[in-house]
Amino acid sequence: RKEVEQDPGPFNVPEGATVAFNCTYSNSASQSFFWYRQDCRKEPKLLMSVYSSGNEDGRFTAQLNRASQYISLLIRDSKLSDSATYLCAVIEDTGGFKTIFGAGTRLFVKA
Amino acid sequence: DTGVSQNPRHKITKRGQNVTFRCDPISEHNRLYWYRQTLGQGPEFLTYFQNEAQLEKSRLLSDRFSAERPKGSFSTLEIQRTEQGDSAMYLCASSLSLGQPQHFGDGTRLSIL
Repeated sequence: RKEVEQDPGPFNVPEGATVAFNCTYSNSASQSFFWYRQDCRKEPKLLMSVYSSGNEDGRFTAQLNRASQYISLLIRDSKLSDSATYLCAVIEDTGGFKTIFGAGTRLFVKA
Repeated sequence: DTGVSQNPRHKITKRGQNVTFRCDPISEHNRLYWYRQTLGQGPEFLTYFQNEAQLEKSRLLSDRFSAERPKGSFSTLEIQRTEQGDSAMYLCASSLSLGQPQHFGDGTRLSIL
């Protein structure tokens, strides 16, 4: 089983739709969680951190479920410009600390 | 621009050659990370530094790979005797401290002929 797993998609949605992605992690000692956005042939850019209490930034909402070991990202009112790959990242405590990324979920928003 | 800077942006070399990449992190960030990314995959952790100390190294990092951060500022990643499987995007990121978000550079795209 991979340490961090995401549905690769692609998710094809019309403009204005609501779309949700999940990301599961295997290490219960994982400490910090993030969502990144990556455009084609570009570097990942931080979208938002994921806090235990959940957090919202405009059209984006992130949640953490420690009991079931997953994080989620909800995008409301999708825009064409939201088309990208969404990566989840988990910082694991393995004695040292390392960051594990999922393989990403591709989103295409169509007019 | 005070973001993470990487150079070169692209490197094309023949198999068997050595290559070195440089990363300049955001100046106040004491943690620096190296990743490798191939098409359709997320960034794969290679190693990270806290100041000049290399604290964690992936088991996937063969002895052909070495990274340094001699003064706790910029870092270099060297690959010796390159192989075709080394072709990838090499990403550097930095963060203010453990648990804080990482900010990525544009990456160095390595192509092995």
